[in-house]
Amino acid sequence: DAGVIQSPRHEVTEMGQEVTLRCKPISGHNSLFWYRQTMMRGLELLIYFNNNVPIDDSGMPEDRFSAKMPNASFSTLKIQPSEPRDSAVYFCASRPLAGALDTQYFGPGTRLTVL
Amino acid sequence: GESVGLHLPTLSVQEGDNSIINCAYSNSASDYFIWYKQESGKGPQFIIDIRSNMDKRQGQRVTVLLNKTVKHLSLQIAATQPGDSAVYFCAEPGASSYKLIFGSGTRLLVRP
Repeated sequence: DAGVIQSPRHEVTEMGQEVTLRCKPISGHNSLFWYRQTMMRGLELLIYFNNNVPIDDSGMPEDRFSAKMPNASFSTLKIQPSEPRDSAVYFCASRPLAGALDTQYFGPGTRLTVL
Repeated sequence: GESVGLHLPTLSVQEGDNSIINCAYSNSASDYFIWYKQESGKGPQFIIDIRSNMDKRQGQRVTVLLNKTVKHLSLQIAATQPGDSAVYFCAEPGASSYKLIFGSGTRLLVRP
């Protein structure tokens, strides 16, 4: 079975440019999460979707960050404009159901470097 | 975010020995715990989970022990192999049902 798919795997861009990260969750999973991981702050939840609807975006750093989930098999995380402090690994994860007792399955991540 | 910064303790073990990775959790009402393994350059990978009504659960070469009295969780890896080298995180549900609180992680190094 294919796991969570993310693209690109690596992105290097210059400050001020727009960055779009993509995620395809595991088929049949109803919940999708975007995380950011840095050495200083560990894994941070950015936004959570359930049945394609954003439920909690309290972790989104600021208005420069936005996320969409137009259908059950695709989500994007956009940063516009990007800044060097956005450099991190961004993970997408999905979960079968919305209940608490369900494991989240992570994608391989996108390593973003903003110069 | 609901996670602790990465000040990683490191456990170094000889190949073939058993490894024990510990985790202290914060919420005595947590009813579910998960162990994740994160290899360099990869996303966290699910290893094993345990419900709070259990004290022990075994998988392939891994065993998770739960001590609710002292809010402690451990992951035991039998006959540790080089491929086990990674950072290991425990996780518990957060205040909201969909959130996971990740521990700070432990780096496991396997010496050949």
